[in-house]
Amino acid sequence: DTAVSQTPKYLVTQMGNDKSIKCEQNLGHDTMYWYKQDSKKFLKIMFSYNNKELIINETVPNRFSPKSPDKAHLNLHINSLELGDSAVYFCASSQGFDTQYFGPGTRLTVL
Amino acid sequence: QKEVEQDPGPLSVPEGAIVSLNCTYSNSAFQYFMWYRQYSRKGPELLMYTYSSGNKEDGRFTAQVDKSSKYISLFIRDSQPSDSATYLCATYEGAQKLVFGQGTRLTINP
Repeated sequence: DTAVSQTPKYLVTQMGNDKSIKCEQNLGHDTMYWYKQDSKKFLKIMFSYNNKELIINETVPNRFSPKSPDKAHLNLHINSLELGDSAVYFCASSQGFDTQYFGPGTRLTVL
Repeated sequence: QKEVEQDPGPLSVPEGAIVSLNCTYSNSAFQYFMWYRQYSRKGPELLMYTYSSGNKEDGRFTAQVDKSSKYISLFIRDSQPSDSATYLCATYEGAQKLVFGQGTRLTINP
């Protein structure tokens, strides 16, 4: 009964490829987020969606495109992967302004 | 200047020691302050949060905010090896936008 789940857990791919990461939450929350954590453990928000509507869109290359088919799912598609995209990507969810619950992370390695 | 600054450590202490983790923040308008704990290869989980100034205690953990100096602290008493993790301070910059410190990697040695 995982609250926030992500697939895949690990992703190893070549530069230039396109990949997607999926996130699902079963907490009934109305807001979902994508964060990126770099090799120095710095965690930074990328996007947030509230009821399928984009709320926060940080300075992220437009190669990154989030998609929310419904309020329980938020996927992240990345085009033309670059070496600098290697990081751990975390999905999170919250009910409004309340506590954010994080998923286990997807470790992306671009070769 | 980053919104939240945190010494990344690493910090290594013996079991039973009192641990003090600290952050500074830049904007005096920030009101909510959180501490997240992240075990290796896991997602962050909320440990404690405080609103405005003052102290909040939960078992062995105490969170403290000093708004006059823009300083937030987390104290861990009687530290245990299971407390070994990365601790991230955070605050809200606008509605629902969490900004994090870099995280301090803590190791408690048995």
